[in-house]
Amino acid sequence: QKEVEQDPGPLSVPEGAIVSLNCTYSNSAFQYFMWYRQYSRKGPELLMYTYSSGNKEDGRFTAQVDKSSKYISLFIRDSQPSDSATYLCAMNGRNTGFQKLVFGTGTRLLVSP
Amino acid sequence: DTAVSQTPKYLVTQMGNDKSIKCEQNLGHDTMYWYKQDSKKFLKIMFSYNNKELIINETVPNRFSPKSPDKAHLNLHINSLELGDSAVYFCASSLATGEEAFFGQGTRLTVV
Repeated sequence: QKEVEQDPGPLSVPEGAIVSLNCTYSNSAFQYFMWYRQYSRKGPELLMYTYSSGNKEDGRFTAQVDKSSKYISLFIRDSQPSDSATYLCAMNGRNTGFQKLVFGTGTRLLVSP
Repeated sequence: DTAVSQTPKYLVTQMGNDKSIKCEQNLGHDTMYWYKQDSKKFLKIMFSYNNKELIINETVPNRFSPKSPDKAHLNLHINSLELGDSAVYFCASSLATGEEAFFGQGTRLTVV
């Protein structure tokens, strides 16, 4: 079993939809959680960074962490075709000596006009 | 003003050759990384350096040798390339070890 699980998709939605992307993890020592967006043939780009359980909002993006369920989510409101990309979750914690990020496999999102 | 830049962007080479990928960051970060992304988009750390010192070596074949001449540069040399080395290699940097990483645009290596 991978340390971080993420549905690979693709997830296809119409423009304007609310998108929910999720990751589950197995090790309760993870403490820092990130979401990256990766466009085709580009490097991953940091979108959101959270530490504690709860919600963090940035524009159309909301990151949610539920440490008790070992589950994190990224919500995208009013999705746009330009949001079409692969979204990767990443996390870090005592189990990694805080020295490296462990990534999910990514979810491919397609937003159609 | 690219924050993390790596060269070349594309590399096509024959099995058995030796090749290098260069990386530079102008963010003033102390830590640099090499990641490998396979065809299924899985990103796996290979090496990390903190202020020129090797911190992580993730069971990578010793055909791969990283070198950090200073904290702004981290190069990757690969000897005796194999078909299975074909992947996209990303350089990244972070302010400190394990913090949020900023990635370069990747080097797409194809071994034929």
